Amino acid sequence: KAGVTQTPRYLIKTRGQQVTLSCSPISGHRSVSWYQQTPGQGLQFLFEYFSETQRNKGNFPGRFSGRQFSNSRSEMNVSTLELGDSALYLCASMRKGTDTQYFGPGTRLTVL
Amino acid sequence: KQEVTQIPAALSVPEGENLVLNCSFTDSAIYNLQWFRQDPGKGLTSLLLIQSSQREQTSGRLNASLDKSSGRSTLYIAASQPGDSATYLCAVHNQGGKLIFGQGTELSVKP
Repeated sequence: KAGVTQTPRYLIKTRGQQVTLSCSPISGHRSVSWYQQTPGQGLQFLFEYFSETQRNKGNFPGRFSGRQFSNSRSEMNVSTLELGDSALYLCASMRKGTDTQYFGPGTRLTVL
Repeated sequence: KQEVTQIPAALSVPEGENLVLNCSFTDSAIYNLQWFRQDPGKGLTSLLLIQSSQREQTSGRLNASLDKSSGRSTLYIAASQPGDSATYLCAVHNQGGKLIFGQGTELSVKP
């Protein structure tokens, strides 16, 4: 069974631009969560989607948004990029009725 | 507010040594605790998940324990190998899909 896939793997943007990251969960998994990882703050929860509905949200500004499609694929959007948004963005999927989260390889975003 | 702390931040051991990584959390009302491994620049690999009702889980050379009342978990690695070198993260699961992570322990196993 294929793992969690994220595209693109690497991205370079400039301040003020916007970016969309994509995550495809493991087949059959309906929960997708997004995390931001930086050297200073570590791993921080952004949001979680289940069956196209946002179920949980972390403490990030409104510039960070997401959505989930009927096939469980999820996208995360960051508008008006700032230098501090440079990070590794990880998504994780989880099967209903279980608690183990499976992570993708991440998207490395660099904001110049 | 749940806080997760991992000690030590970094650890270097010779190959073959048994070692223990520590994780503590401030709020004992957790659903479960999960240990991950992260190689440089890569995603997270799930190692072990301990439900709040369990005391320990084992997988190969790895054994994780959980003491909810004291807010502690340990990851024991037996007979360490250079391939075990990575950052080890513990995360507590409070509700829904939200994991709260510690800062990790960077492990280096020297041949």
